Amino acid sequence: QSVLTQPPSVSGAPGQRVTISCTGSGSIIGTDYHVHWYQQIPGTAPRLLISGNNNRRSGVPDRFSGSKSGTSASLAITGLQAEDEADYYCQSYDSRLSVVLFGGGTRLTVL
Amino acid sequence: DVQVVDSGGDLVQPGGSLRLSCAASGSHFSSYAMTWVRQAPGKGLEWVAGITGSGDHTYYAESVKGRFIISRDSSTAALEMNGLGAEDTAIYYCARSSGTYLSGYTWFDSWGQGTPVTVAS
Repeated sequence: QSVLTQPPSVSGAPGQRVTISCTGSGSIIGTDYHVHWYQQIPGTAPRLLISGNNNRRSGVPDRFSGSKSGTSASLAITGLQAEDEADYYCQSYDSRLSVVLFGGGTRLTVL
Repeated sequence: DVQVVDSGGDLVQPGGSLRLSCAASGSHFSSYAMTWVRQAPGKGLEWVAGITGSGDHTYYAESVKGRFIISRDSSTAALEMNGLGAEDTAIYYCARSSGTYLSGYTWFDSWGQGTPVTVAS
């Protein structure tokens, strides 16, 4: 089974730094394929934050950064703000099944 | 910014059919693949189907293969859903896709607001 695993929840105080991990299995992430990150504020549509592992979309604050190493990827958020409270999803691709995969999502709580 | 508008969601009985539509503003619509992603109540995102910019190639999740059909013309994309079951209840989002579709270099840069589909008797 193809899976992208994220922690269900993370939290941090305003101004702190948090990271959200995304771990692949099988034929995912451990290849040259890219990982992308989306933010979803409850009740709204997802929006693209990071594409191609570490490319911030225009307009996304530089407090957000992405990285990928081996079979894992991470989204880091520095200088946490209340407005960052949302669900975050990683996304990649399974070449064996030819399907797009999303991680299960991580709820970020700003304390 | 590109505006994506999805519509057509409704309450439908089990076994019924529904057609969702999606329009994206701006030029070069046919240059981009389009994708449908759904989100069941309280759950995460699930990729459902996608179609290349030319319309020549379509792709489906196993959970909808044989029941859903994605199509497009010069200005809109559509998702024809047949044999609907309770497991199809979700908000359906249309998204414009960037990168090579479908591949490890595909991502979704603009999303519609979502259209709700409820399957119940």
